[in-house]
Amino acid sequence: DARVTQTPRHKVTEMGQEVTMRCQPILGHNTVFWYRQTMMQGLELLAYFRNRAPLDDSGMPKDRFSAEMPDATLATLKIQPSEPRDSAVYFCASGFDGVVTEAFFGQGTRLTVV
Amino acid sequence: GENVEQHPSTLSVQEGDSAVIKCTYSDSASNYFPWYKQELGKRPQLIIDIRSNVGEKKDQRIAVTLNKTAKHFSLHITETQPEDSAVYFCAALRPNTGNQFYFGTGTSLTVIP
Repeated sequence: DARVTQTPRHKVTEMGQEVTMRCQPILGHNTVFWYRQTMMQGLELLAYFRNRAPLDDSGMPKDRFSAEMPDATLATLKIQPSEPRDSAVYFCASGFDGVVTEAFFGQGTRLTVV
Repeated sequence: GENVEQHPSTLSVQEGDSAVIKCTYSDSASNYFPWYKQELGKRPQLIIDIRSNVGEKKDQRIAVTLNKTAKHFSLHITETQPEDSAVYFCAALRPNTGNQFYFGTGTSLTVIP
């Protein structure tokens, strides 16, 4: 059963620390999305990659957030420095461009910045 | 870009009653409309989807209708059960954007036993 894998599942960190979240998309998928979910904002798109190239990161605060895909099996989302308002659940999803199909979500990383 | 609006934000129904959640979209080029269910503490998962060449699709107690002219689509759950309680998200996909999904803001459905 192919799944999107995210690590860590939970992260508690102090304000000012760097946080790195990782995502392994489903093998063969060539699109990767990062979403942030809070109670107030629903699913907020932060970044979007196709064939490892960033296509849209307009929803991401550029001063502290960065997203990369070092290779086809790994996507990363970094926050440096982290702030309490970054506390949320971060979801990674993957899909396949070229065939209209669903986006498959990972289990999410629950981040708490204290 | 696409703009998807979803209503209501919260919905409570008695067990056995029907629930309807509505979404509108702005881009007439959008051609794929999935619905995701997110149970508490879990990931969003696809429950049903519809493509723009179809007006209605059913899967047991769940159905989705699409009105392309009015640019709105709806999720219908009949004979609701407590396990239907979750947050539901609609989404729209515009072609030629690399499968970039635009999500609604979610509807928190509570089914009261």
